[in-house]
Amino acid sequence: GAGVSQSPSNKVTEKGKDVELRCDPISGHTALYWYRQSLGQGLEFLIYFQGNSAPDKSGLPSDRFSAERTGGSVSTLTIQRTQQEDSAVYLCASSPRLFGNTEAFFGQGTRLTVV
Amino acid sequence: QQQVKQSPQSLIVQKGGISIINCAYENTAFDYFPWYQQFPGKGPALLIAIRPDVSEKKEGRFTISFNKSAKQFSLHIMDSQPGDSATYFCAASSVLSGTYKYIFGTGTRLKVLA
Repeated sequence: GAGVSQSPSNKVTEKGKDVELRCDPISGHTALYWYRQSLGQGLEFLIYFQGNSAPDKSGLPSDRFSAERTGGSVSTLTIQRTQQEDSAVYLCASSPRLFGNTEAFFGQGTRLTVV
Repeated sequence: QQQVKQSPQSLIVQKGGISIINCAYENTAFDYFPWYQQFPGKGPALLIAIRPDVSEKKEGRFTISFNKSAKQFSLHIMDSQPGDSATYFCAASSVLSGTYKYIFGTGTRLKVLA
């Protein structure tokens, strides 16, 4: 595709339910990142993938959060037993190679609201 | 030590004025400093970036000033326009230390008055 695509764009869920957020990176990009953006906060790193492996999961807030990537392409971020503090915009980004000195291309984000 | 502190939180500037946003860091291993621009409902997009071997980088109306000894860097927007109204994030990363992620500041919401 032309850019990073995330779905759904908005998600409202009840506390305690599980949610899945999807990210389609730019074709050919090997690195994929998930960030969380809360109101008034910066972009909080969650996890990154190089290919299908996740060398750095250090930002996942709890074991309720997990992510996978298949075929070196699509990634899914799953939040189990959602809590109100999980409400935020979840952003996915991809890059031709690992970040550090290269441009990251962000999707438009998924706005998650837990009620 | 991994934090990047950004100020101000919000900024209002008249059209044609200069917008200045500041960031400070502590980790001397950081070696890449990008600025991202985010419009409402959109993901952040790279605006301009600098490495610590230069003190200034200019692209059009946007300039990054970098002070390695003070561990500070700033974004200057000259001749600010209403279309520049957005949220700006500074970030830092360290390729050499293997920190393959950006550490972002908390953002500055800029409003340029017409």
